[in-house]
Amino acid sequence: IQMTQSPSSLSASVGDRVTITCRASQGIRNYLAWYQQKPGKVPKLLIYAASTLQSGVPSRFSGSGSGTDFTLTISNLQPEDVATYYCQKYRNDPWAFGQGTKVEIK
Amino acid sequence: QVQLVESGGGVVQPGRSLRLSCAASGFTFSNHGMHWVRQPPGKGLDWVAVISYDGRTKYYADSVKGRFTISRDNSKNTVYLDMNSLTSEDTAVYRCAKEQDNRDDFFDYWGQGTLVTVSS
Repeated sequence: IQMTQSPSSLSASVGDRVTITCRASQGIRNYLAWYQQKPGKVPKLLIYAASTLQSGVPSRFSGSGSGTDFTLTISNLQPEDVATYYCQKYRNDPWAFGQGTKVEIK
Repeated sequence: QVQLVESGGGVVQPGRSLRLSCAASGFTFSNHGMHWVRQPPGKGLDWVAVISYDGRTKYYADSVKGRFTISRDNSKNTVYLDMNSLTSEDTAVYRCAKEQDNRDDFFDYWGQGTLVTVSS
């Protein structure tokens, strides 16, 4: 199973709504996680089960989707959201990641 | 608090071997599956291998199958990655990651990583 993210990068203004998509080459039900990796830092879990927010993650982050198509939305983009975002399928082999989406501030 | 500390990285010549270790603390290690994930410089995340909580089940990415071996010692709270026949394509930061639990096996904690550079 392969995971494909789009776009590979984006630039948006503070306060904008940003959407990142992730597509699985086969259906994966809702076994989809999103991670945030800030420059020079370790990846951080944001969302699991496609739409469940990890404890402590700001509510401006949300996820949706099931089967093959998923989205990560950041409403009201903040400067501290500058990072690369990765989707990942889990539950069985392989635990594949998307190629990442780099989010920058205009 | 959960801590994952990798060690064993360094510069190694092509074709040689290396063993990475990940020492875990702050949780019941023997209850959780563990993964290795690598990240080449400036590139994305690349899942490498997983070992179940009891060490009985292992899976590998196609790119490392037959060359890398994951193992664990629950008495030492440590997971290992033995890497053989290394090539320049294996140059990356290698991080261990903990599964949340046996059902929800996404990664809730990651180590800082250890850099492996394969170069002559």
